[in-house]
Amino acid sequence: QSVLTQPPSASGTPGQRVTISCSGSSSNIGSNYVYWYQQLPGTAPKLLIYRNNQRPSGVPDRFSGSKSGTSASLAISGLRSEDEADYYCAAWDDSLGVFGGGTKLTVL
Amino acid sequence: QVQLQESGPGLVKPSQTLSLTCTVSGGSISSGSYYWSWIRQPAGKGLEWIGRIYTSGSTNYNPSLKSRVTISVDTSKNQFSLKLSSVTAADTAVYYCARAEISVSYAFDIWGQGTMVTVSS
Repeated sequence: QSVLTQPPSASGTPGQRVTISCSGSSSNIGSNYVYWYQQLPGTAPKLLIYRNNQRPSGVPDRFSGSKSGTSASLAISGLRSEDEADYYCAAWDDSLGVFGGGTKLTVL
Repeated sequence: QVQLQESGPGLVKPSQTLSLTCTVSGGSISSGSYYWSWIRQPAGKGLEWIGRIYTSGSTNYNPSLKSRVTISVDTSKNQFSLKLSSVTAADTAVYYCARAEISVSYAFDIWGQGTMVTVSS
């Protein structure tokens, strides 16, 4: 049982826009930044979004993040086949790291 | 470019202690701008944060593992380590070390490639 709640799966066709939700509580998302990580099959997670909506250098602007209250969302526009991966939200809860259970994104 | 590399036994017997080391290359672990964490992922499951250490030696652990976990740092070797005692099959997972940048983002910005640890007799 993960501290943050994500839908287990999401899907879309190439070119579509998909969103993935992440729900937490006042002690984590509600009072701290949200992060998103992308995990391609067989690889380590990669930072996709930090501080709710900031993209590290090299991450396409097709990826965007938002936060409202105790929930957050990751949006992927112009979906591409290479976006098929697992996506995890994360936050700090006081001094403890917490993750969502992950959302498997399928590009149909 | 900073890189992290996990190392340690791939097979541990039940009730024994799992020991892993993360070697930091391309930068100093003594930089005050980072926390150093361990994160694990059972096969087909999500990520679980195990704990973190600052270069001062201060630590924070996942409450669900706290009684069995010790994370330490060896600045002379540019390494930090994980010990997990009394392991069971439930501790079988890929173990990642990761760096959390704390001057701006507190994000896990660099990860090791991960190392698979199986708990079995």
